[in-house]
Amino acid sequence: QKEVEQNSGPLSVPEGAIASLNCTYSDRGSQSFFWYRQYSGKSPELIMSIYSNGDKEDGRFTAQLNKASQYVSLLIRDSQPSDSATYLCAVAPNAGNNRKLIWGLGTSLAVNP
Amino acid sequence: SAVISQKPSRDICQRGTSLTIQCQVDSQVTMMFWYRQQPGQSLTLIATANQGSEATYESGFVIDKFPISRPNLTFSTLTVSNMSPEDSSIYLCSVTGTGAKNIQYFGAGTRLSVL
Repeated sequence: QKEVEQNSGPLSVPEGAIASLNCTYSDRGSQSFFWYRQYSGKSPELIMSIYSNGDKEDGRFTAQLNKASQYVSLLIRDSQPSDSATYLCAVAPNAGNNRKLIWGLGTSLAVNP
Repeated sequence: SAVISQKPSRDICQRGTSLTIQCQVDSQVTMMFWYRQQPGQSLTLIATANQGSEATYESGFVIDKFPISRPNLTFSTLTVSNMSPEDSSIYLCSVTGTGAKNIQYFGAGTRLSVL
């Protein structure tokens, strides 16, 4: 059973702080890793994708991938109240063509003004 | 990313009836998926919609209950058949493009309530 695990939270941080979200996965052969943000009542939207070990930065967001330890994290710098949402980690378990993603249960983030 | 139109956006249905949800994309896409998301829960994949052939269903989902069509590379439908209150959920369509490296983009979703 291929799994993706996240702490459900809620994770509460003050405005301006760094929010750190973590995700572990069970399939060592996983190739692609994604962070999606989902506001209440809305559909998920892609924030970051990462495919190789190391860090990938996009604005206030940094994704970190460590394949040896099988975890991927998302850092949000200078957190804003508008970042309050559920963050979903998704993993593509192989390089095959079915393109399915395995989803974590999501971490709820609350940024307090 | 593709523009995905999903409709209806919401509906309230009676027990025992069926609802068909449509997903239209503004460009040809490789893969189309249908998910269910119950309140406060993560995404559960129902099936992969295959163009020109039967959909591939995940464990726990069957064609008789969730028939899916995909007549071309830009359109798919999901029908929720013989509905019960347990089918009340948000249903989401997602797509993957040809060179998107597994990135999925989502429609706005259909919020279904079954009375």
